[in-house]
Amino acid sequence: GEDVEQSLFLSVREGDSSVINCTYTDSSSTYLYWYKQEPGAGLQLLTYIFSNMDMKQDQRLTVLLNKKDKHLSLRIADTQTGDSAIYFCASHRTDSWGKLQFGAGTQVVVTP
Amino acid sequence: NAGVTQTPKFQVLKTGQSMTLQCAQDMNHEYMSWYRQDPGMGLRLIHYSVGAGITDQGEVPNGYNVSRSTTEDFPLRLLSAAPSQTSVYFCASSRTGQQPQHFGDGTRLSIL
Repeated sequence: GEDVEQSLFLSVREGDSSVINCTYTDSSSTYLYWYKQEPGAGLQLLTYIFSNMDMKQDQRLTVLLNKKDKHLSLRIADTQTGDSAIYFCASHRTDSWGKLQFGAGTQVVVTP
Repeated sequence: NAGVTQTPKFQVLKTGQSMTLQCAQDMNHEYMSWYRQDPGMGLRLIHYSVGAGITDQGEVPNGYNVSRSTTEDFPLRLLSAAPSQTSVYFCASSRTGQQPQHFGDGTRLSIL
């Protein structure tokens, strides 16, 4: 079956970089997503990467994809207190018509 | 700029009651889906729809019904509520099944 795994917790100091890791098992995954969820809110799409890319940068966010190891990471530069949230990794295949497979989420806590 | 709107935001039900969770989007998206979020488990797909009149089951469909009579609306019905259905429910939509999904703010449902 398809599995997406993430570490459950990350603590980081304000101003440092955060790196959130994700592994997936389905080698047919074509789109990989990062969503952010703040307390009591829905999921906000942060960024996504297509499987033929190995890196994507968007302001403070950098996504790295290692297809060989099926490993995805999200780096947040200059982490701020507003970055405290749960971050979800999700994947889907082009033949599964939008059925996202989510990881359990990584709780990121930013300390002053 | 409404996006995906879910109602109600909170609901408490007694075991055996039925209810409908509403979801509406104003982006003319073809693809809509329902997920449930439980602690430590990420989001799991309940049902999805690739267009008006077309629905299909996701990973955890038992106890839930859906219909898609219009492009805008995708209600989720709980036929006979059970405590195991206590969860946060999210509706999402995307232009097609291969586009990033946009999420509503969720409905927090408690079954006593």
